[in-house]
This record gives sequence, C-alpha cells and structure tokens, in this order.
Amino acid sequence: GENVEQHPSTLSVQEGDSAVIKCTYSDSASNYFPWYKQELGKRPQLIIDIRSNVGEKKDQRIAVTLNKTAKHFSLHITETQPEDSAVYFCAASTYNNNDMRFGAGTRLTVKP
Amino acid sequence: DVKVTQSSRYLVKRTGEKVFLECVQDMDHENMFWYRQDPGLGLRLIYFSYDVKMKEKGDIPEGYSVSREKKERFSLILESASTNQTSMYLCASSPTGQGDTDTQYFGPGTRLTVL
Repeated sequence: GENVEQHPSTLSVQEGDSAVIKCTYSDSASNYFPWYKQELGKRPQLIIDIRSNVGEKKDQRIAVTLNKTAKHFSLHITETQPEDSAVYFCAASTYNNNDMRFGAGTRLTVKP
Repeated sequence: DVKVTQSSRYLVKRTGEKVFLECVQDMDHENMFWYRQDPGLGLRLIYFSYDVKMKEKGDIPEGYSVSREKKERFSLILESASTNQTSMYLCASSPTGQGDTDTQYFGPGTRLTVL
C-alpha cells in the first residue's frame, strides 16, 4: 500500500520568512495530493491540493509542487504570519480516494 | 458547506468497556473513514466504508469494528477498550473520487481516554 513520509517534523521560522514542507510517496499510482492544516484543538482543513496532471499550483501565499518522477511533493508558504502556525499534513491517494494515506505531520511555528 | 459531526468531543471509558463513536455527514457522501491521530504518527486509517453495509480494513483495524447501516452514519466500535486505544479519533467523509471532488472532510474529533 501507499506510504507517505513527511519532513521536517517541526519547523520554526520568523514571521515574513518562507516555509517548505516536503513529502515523498511510494505508490506510483497515486494521483491526488492534498495538504491539510490543523490548528490546535481543531479538525484538519484542506488548504490546497494538486493532481498528477499538473506540476505546480498556487493560491495566494501557498503553493504546492509535484515531481511525479521522483515521487515527491512540497508545500511552500511565503511571507509567513503567526496565524500560519499549525500542524500541516500531506496525503496521497489514487483515483477512488479510498486509499488516502497521510504523512506524520509538520508542526510549523511562526515567531512574531 | 459540508458538515461532519461526531457524537462526543471528549470521552472517558474504563478498560474492557464497549465504546461506540458515532459520525454523521450531511452531504450524501459515499465514502466515510475512521482515523486515529497520535503525536508523531499522523493520521492512521482504521476502517473505511464506500457504501452502506460495506467496510474495508485500513492499516490498524485490530481491536476495532465498524457499522454503516445508513449512508450518513458511520460508527466505530471498540469491543473491549484498552489503554492503548487512548487517542484522538477523527471521522471523515468524501464523495467518490471524480474530478475535483476527492477531498476528505473531517469531523471535529473525539478525544477518548481509556483508564
């Protein structure tokens, strides 16, 4: 089955700096890669996703890149703000979405 | 707005008790999932269901069972709770993956403590 690895497990940046979180996956059949943000005490919420037919997707300060050949994808947050502090999870699944597997999470802390 | 609700936010049970965790979604989604979330381990899939009365084991099904009698409701059952089942349990739902609708939507979670 799919195995998703996520790095780093913790990340601390100064406000205004960029943050990058990387994930690798094992199943070449995976074609959907969402990223979730989980604030303390709250449910995970989708922030951005990418499909295997594109290499990059951007939404304001957040971008995701995908390298299918190398089987890795990354989340980039620019101009970080304290409210970006949360745990971020990457995930990978195939078309039918029944096999989504999550990374272990990255705790991002943005220092004012 | 998709709404996924779970019956309890916090639950305290004793070892050996039978525990029921309920999840309800209001978007007519075919797929429903149960995860447990532990520090450093991320979200691990316990069971999922792709239709009424259908279920599939996830990565860590031991000690758990599930029930899906109606499309909107997916129950997680701990037949005999043990202390190593103390965890945060998250339910999620999603439509069958077609186009831009693959996203899983999560409930608020149930923090279960087994004493």
